[in-house]
Amino acid sequence: GENVEQHPSTLSVQEGDSAVIKCTYSDSASNYFPWYKQELGKGPQLIIDIRSNVGEKKDQRIAVTLNKTAKHFSLHITETQPEDSAVYFCAASKGNQFYFGTGTSLTVIP
Amino acid sequence: DAGVIQSPRHEVTEMGQEVTLRCKPISGHNSLFWYRQTMMRGLELLIYFNNNVPIDDSGMPEDRFSAKMPNASFSTLKIQPSEPRDSAVYFCASSRDRAYEQYFGPGTRLTVT
Repeated sequence: GENVEQHPSTLSVQEGDSAVIKCTYSDSASNYFPWYKQELGKGPQLIIDIRSNVGEKKDQRIAVTLNKTAKHFSLHITETQPEDSAVYFCAASKGNQFYFGTGTSLTVIP
Repeated sequence: DAGVIQSPRHEVTEMGQEVTLRCKPISGHNSLFWYRQTMMRGLELLIYFNNNVPIDDSGMPEDRFSAKMPNASFSTLKIQPSEPRDSAVYFCASSRDRAYEQYFGPGTRLTVT
């Protein structure tokens, strides 16, 4: 089966700085890579995703990059704001089942 | 549009009791997923349905767990009998098809004492 590793487990940044979260996966057949943001007491919310035929995708302050050869993908958040503080999960999928990383707790310090 | 709806939001029960969690997927979505989230194991897929049919239940931990989807707008996850180690947050998610984005509900926090 697929194995997704996520780093770091915790991350603190100053407001306005950038944050980067990295994930690796093991199954080269995985072709869909979503990122979820989970705030305290809420369900995971899809914030951005990328498919294996694309190397990079950007949505305002959030971007995701994918390196299929190295089997890793990353989430980049620029100009961080306090409301970006949450737990972020990456996942890898080849259609039927999502395999989630263990999460990164991001704290943005005002 | 209403998102995925789950009930109850919180459930506290005693060991040995039956627990039923409920989920209403987003209208038009034909795949439904049940997940369990714990600190130790993170997010685990328990079972998923496609067009109301269970496709993969290999994540269901024991026979004490069962799930049904009698129609396209309703699913239940039942634990009978419940045990303290079942304490977790249970999420339901739905998607337009198996390979599309999954949208999660707010979860049910289950505590078994």
